[in-house]
Amino acid sequence: EADIYQTPRYLVIGTGKKITLECSQTMGHDKMYWYQQDPGMELHLIHYSYGVNSTEKGDLSSESTVSRIRTEHFPLTLESARPSHTSQYLCASSESQGDHAEAFFGQGTRLTVV
Amino acid sequence: AQSVAQPEDQVNVAEGNPLTVKCTYSVSGNPYLFWYVQYPNRGLQFLLKYITGDNLVKGSYGFEAEFNKSQTSFHLKKPSALVSDSALYFCAVRDRGTDKLIFGTGTRLQVFP
Repeated sequence: EADIYQTPRYLVIGTGKKITLECSQTMGHDKMYWYQQDPGMELHLIHYSYGVNSTEKGDLSSESTVSRIRTEHFPLTLESARPSHTSQYLCASSESQGDHAEAFFGQGTRLTVV
Repeated sequence: AQSVAQPEDQVNVAEGNPLTVKCTYSVSGNPYLFWYVQYPNRGLQFLLKYITGDNLVKGSYGFEAEFNKSQTSFHLKKPSALVSDSALYFCAVRDRGTDKLIFGTGTRLQVFP
């Protein structure tokens, strides 16, 4: 099992609420990623980071924001949740040495906005 | 841009039979290719990767994948399927310019007893 953790696993929240999805890894990886997974299963990269104080937008436009103040922590925030944000969110990390390193995934957060 | 394609949304196979889950890639230069598996309500688990060297790559749970440069393919295989192999399978390629991991659309494998 990879040492990358996401909390909460499941979250049901009302429209307009602010939420933060937590992601932490204990492997010392510099690179971290957030993916959004459709109900139909396709994965879309929404944010990534090369290291502390580095954040980049992914391929899918997202209203969420991320921060990377510490190596091990890469939280994702939605300032005002909407039903269209209902999805599964997967966090991942990988080593920085070489671009052939595999990514390790957390168990995901399933978000439902009502 | 780097990309991978998984042409089958679902693959059905009887337990004990060989299975193949298809993946083709489109990259500039030498590809770094990966296979992941996702069980229900779980994150993705790494199965295997191709970087260079032998075209046949062996991975976890008895899976292997064959890299074919002329056909730009990286199909996942297993000689004898188990019911417990039923899951979602994702092929991925590393974009060596941005370092992003780009996934295919996924294939649902169903193994029937």
